[in-house]
Amino acid sequence: QSVLTQPPSASGTPGQRVTISCSGSSSNIGSNTVNWYQQLPGTAPKLLIYSNSQRPSGVPDRFSGSKSGTSASLAISGLQSEDETDYYCAAWDDSLTSWVFGGGTKLTVL
Amino acid sequence: QVQLVQSGAEVKKPGASVKVSCKASGYSFTGYSMHWMRQAPGQGLEWMGWINPNSGGTNYAQKFQGRVTMTRDTSISTAYMELSRLRSDDTAVYYCAREYSTSWPFDYWGQGTLVTVSS
Repeated sequence: QSVLTQPPSASGTPGQRVTISCSGSSSNIGSNTVNWYQQLPGTAPKLLIYSNSQRPSGVPDRFSGSKSGTSASLAISGLQSEDETDYYCAAWDDSLTSWVFGGGTKLTVL
Repeated sequence: QVQLVQSGAEVKKPGASVKVSCKASGYSFTGYSMHWMRQAPGQGLEWMGWINPNSGGTNYAQKFQGRVTMTRDTSISTAYMELSRLRSDDTAVYYCAREYSTSWPFDYWGQGTLVTVSS
């Protein structure tokens, strides 16, 4: 069981806006920033969003992140076929003194 | 440009140890902590711990305490992760990843090393 909870799947049609949620607790999301990673099949994860809502250079502004309380969300607008892959959230957990990840969400572009 | 290049795939028997390397280039190796994660087949990501390449200090996830050792060789800008007493459920792809800062973690990743544990 993952410490952070994500829906196992999400879907949308091209051009649509989709959101992926990440739920945690006061010891992780509630007190630390959230980061999001995109993992294409057979490749290493890639940093998509850091510090809740910041995009590294090169990440399209179609991707955005937000956090409220003990939950966070990744939003993808103008959905494209190449967005169909796995997404993970991560945060530091003060109680576990460990980085924790969500179980991952597989996004399907219909 | 920043690159992390990991060693090749390994096949080990249960009870053996494996040592995975991660060679960094394109930045000051001693300036940034290096983390290790793993991903079992079809599963999510799991954090194993980190090493401060400057001091050699380490912090391991409780699950791996006593079985994992992270070291580094600053002369060749390489970090190592050794996992001992391997079990079949240690079969996974192991990744190294750089931490730019605590609020900007895992900004660069190695390509991954598949470790298969099988009798």
